[in-house]
Amino acid sequence: QVQLVQSGAEVKKPGASVRVSCKASGFTFTDYHIHWVRQPLGQGLEWMGRINPNNGGTSYAQKFQGRVTMTRDMSVTTAYMELNRLRSDDTAVYYCARVVPCTTLVCSSLDSWGQGTLVTVSS
Amino acid sequence: DIQMTQSPSSLSASVGDRVTITCRASQDIRKYLAWFQQKPGKAPKSLIYAASSLESGVPSKFSGSGSGTDFTLTISNLQAEDVGTYYCQQYNSYPHTFGQGTRLEIK
Repeated sequence: QVQLVQSGAEVKKPGASVRVSCKASGFTFTDYHIHWVRQPLGQGLEWMGRINPNNGGTSYAQKFQGRVTMTRDMSVTTAYMELNRLRSDDTAVYYCARVVPCTTLVCSSLDSWGQGTLVTVSS
Repeated sequence: DIQMTQSPSSLSASVGDRVTITCRASQDIRKYLAWFQQKPGKAPKSLIYAASSLESGVPSKFSGSGSGTDFTLTISNLQAEDVGTYYCQQYNSYPHTFGQGTRLEIK
């Protein structure tokens, strides 16, 4: 079955970096884009960006430009999200999710999500 | 960035009720709108894509409508398991912004 399995919780100090992984299985990795969404505890969802595993092409929210890098390793069907220069307000649950690229006939949305990874930034 | 505004922010309804949540975009997003349900401690679950298309496996009690800037999610025959927070998301243009969420509870 379709699965996106994320790496475990992280605790980081301000100014450090974190890398979260998202292991895909049960579907053809290169047929989908992987998006990253975060959610501060008790708050709403925030879209961060996406990667096309086919060519490594990325699109990032302006808010994270210069601090976030999304990559993939096709040999292990895994996507990664690295966030640098962490601040306390980066404390959140980070999710990966997949979406099939739009065609001329249909444009669907994020249909399968990882379980989430809690990143805590604290001195 | 496109701003997505949901209303109401919270909603309390009785079992068997029909409820409607609205989502307004700050500019035309055509039909590129999705609805998600999130339960506490869980990842969001996709309900509706392209404004009105039901995600596979989602019961037909959920329905969506709208285009342009105004959209609605309707839940009929409300049951206890429908409790959670509902989010809309536009994917017409980057960044793919979410609404602030609507918290649904049972009276």
